[in-house]
Amino acid sequence: DSGVTQTPKHLITATGQRVTLRCSPRSGDLSVYWYQQSLDQGLQFLIQYYNGEERAKGNILERFSAQQFPDLHSELNLSSLELGDSALYFCASSVDLPGGLKSGELFFGEGSRLTVL
Amino acid sequence: GDSVTQMEGPVTLSEEAFLTINCTYTATGYPSLFWYVQYPGEGLQLLLKATKADDKGSNKGFEATYRKETTSFHLEKGSVQVSDSAVYFCALSLNSGTYKYIFGTGTRLKVLA
Repeated sequence: DSGVTQTPKHLITATGQRVTLRCSPRSGDLSVYWYQQSLDQGLQFLIQYYNGEERAKGNILERFSAQQFPDLHSELNLSSLELGDSALYFCASSVDLPGGLKSGELFFGEGSRLTVL
Repeated sequence: GDSVTQMEGPVTLSEEAFLTINCTYTATGYPSLFWYVQYPGEGLQLLLKATKADDKGSNKGFEATYRKETTSFHLEKGSVQVSDSAVYFCALSLNSGTYKYIFGTGTRLKVLA
């Protein structure tokens, strides 16, 4: 058990809909990362938050947005869903400062599997 | 830009065979390097890491050496087991103005009894 909790574990929805994925980081971790894992594209970095502020942005579509709340949990919102958005969405957390520790382990949740029909 | 390239899978080996999974990186600066493992139905978990050139990370019989001259961090294990069947990801972390944590595409390993 990594200590990172993601909900829901599975989600099936239709094209055009909107969903919210939730992540609770490990106790004490200030950084939250979101990754998308699809069969043909491996693990793609979407966005990172540190203590409530956006710190880095990767290949995140404009239809997607995220935020980190004062209690440090994070939500990833996916809207106007398309078939190609079907994937595993992982949240990871770390205690690293954004410009601080040179090395650091990411702790991953078990992922939220999104299926868009 | 900064990136990680690892060999494509799947890699299929017999039990007790020697394993090598190649990983090379491109980075502006001095990254830390990692191998993560993903077992079926689970999230990724750290397998080993190295923070500077010539460091060797090791865990559970797996090893990888940070080679700055060849910008490589190849994963090796002398004798694989069926339980090692998983997807292996090479990754780097780097602070070059903005903090980055970049993963390779993953290499699936299947070990046959």
